[in-house]
Amino acid sequence: EADIYQTPRYLVIGTGKKITLECSQTMGHDKMYWYQQDPGMELHLIHYSYGVNSTEKGDLSSESTVSRIRTEHFPLTLESARPSHTSQYLCASTPTTLGAGTEAFFGQGTRLTVV
Amino acid sequence: AQTVTQSQPEMSVQEAETVTLSCTYDTSENNYYLFWYKQPPSRQMILVIRQEAYKQQNATENRFSVNFQKAAKSFSLKISDSQLGDTAMYFCAYMIYNQGGKLIFGQGTELSVKP
Repeated sequence: EADIYQTPRYLVIGTGKKITLECSQTMGHDKMYWYQQDPGMELHLIHYSYGVNSTEKGDLSSESTVSRIRTEHFPLTLESARPSHTSQYLCASTPTTLGAGTEAFFGQGTRLTVV
Repeated sequence: AQTVTQSQPEMSVQEAETVTLSCTYDTSENNYYLFWYKQPPSRQMILVIRQEAYKQQNATENRFSVNFQKAAKSFSLKISDSQLGDTAMYFCAYMIYNQGGKLIFGQGTELSVKP
């Protein structure tokens, strides 16, 4: 299994609460990503980072924010959770240099439900 | 627009038989990687097989093989001798070589292997 971890696995939280989804990897990858996956649907990139202090928004607009203070850590924060944020969030990483043998490694995901 | 289309939302196959999952994609880029990822229920997304677009030879990985038709932008996955453990959601995806490891996913095909 890949050395990329997400916590919590499941989270049910009330509207208006601030939440942080954690993602850590021990592979030394510079590149990390957050994907949002609605039930039975494709994944969409919401944030990515190519290294410390580097963050960019992805293709799907999201009210969440991310930070990258350490190489191994890429947390995602929602300042005020809403029911529309209910979804599965997948964290991933890729090696610094892309080439033959490249793949993305995924965490187990956080299933978020906002009530 | 860069897109991936999986036209089969659900498929089923009898154990030990062969099944083919279809995928088409659209990109104007010439250097990219193609992937099939497997997402078992409530489990981590893992790589099934990858194909570099510059390679004409179809990739194989044990019971898994692809039919890569670059001109047609088609990338189907064949699973031989299907096993119960193959039951999962399968996602086709591609990664543009000079766009930093971001993945574009299809909608997924839910495969059920029946005993």
